[in-house]
Amino acid sequence: GQQLNQSPQSMFIQEGEDVSMNCTSSSIFNTWLWYKQDPGEGPVLLIALYKAGELTSNGRLTAQFGITRKDSFLNISASIPSDVGIYFCAGLLDNNDMRFGAGTRLTVKP
Amino acid sequence: DGGITQSPKYLFRKEGQNVTLSCEQNLNHDAMYWYRQDPGQGLRLIYYSQIVNDFQKGDIAEGYSVSREKKESFPLTVTSAQKNPTAFYLCASSNRVSPLHFGNGTRLTVT
Repeated sequence: GQQLNQSPQSMFIQEGEDVSMNCTSSSIFNTWLWYKQDPGEGPVLLIALYKAGELTSNGRLTAQFGITRKDSFLNISASIPSDVGIYFCAGLLDNNDMRFGAGTRLTVKP
Repeated sequence: DGGITQSPKYLFRKEGQNVTLSCEQNLNHDAMYWYRQDPGQGLRLIYYSQIVNDFQKGDIAEGYSVSREKKESFPLTVTSAQKNPTAFYLCASSNRVSPLHFGNGTRLTVT
């Protein structure tokens, strides 16, 4: 099945900088999820979005469910070294199929 | 603490052998899933089960088999028919009010 288009693929930033990543698709989703995955571990849910236009924060993380229901973004403010990892989005279609982005690999330089 | 346990964390097998990956959850979730993760790609669904004794093929089911005899358990067998079995395998579960939760994965290496 068609996966989500996630960008950027990787980011190298300085500690303290803000980060933004997004996922887009030609399909309409009823739920957007953002996960973080550390090397060799399972993904951990960061934020879940259930309504178009919804803007949700979790500490320094903020995510939005696009108004067209075809996209979502995740922002991380004031990055710290432990933010390092792979972030990926997941979208749930009306037929309960889940689609995933390929991930954004974040590196934070102290 | 509730969660999903995958075992073992690392698994090594010779080509031609079948191997079974374990997944157990104590979250009381009805649905369970198996995904395969390869570098640079999104997660791909192998099999899923919405209820005990029932399961459905996902996008890449060929060369894999599953069973769902208990609500808590959803083992995945990687058969010798799977042409490229070396990968990171993730088990997940969910229910109507809880989004997908993942286990910590099993890295399978077949040589």
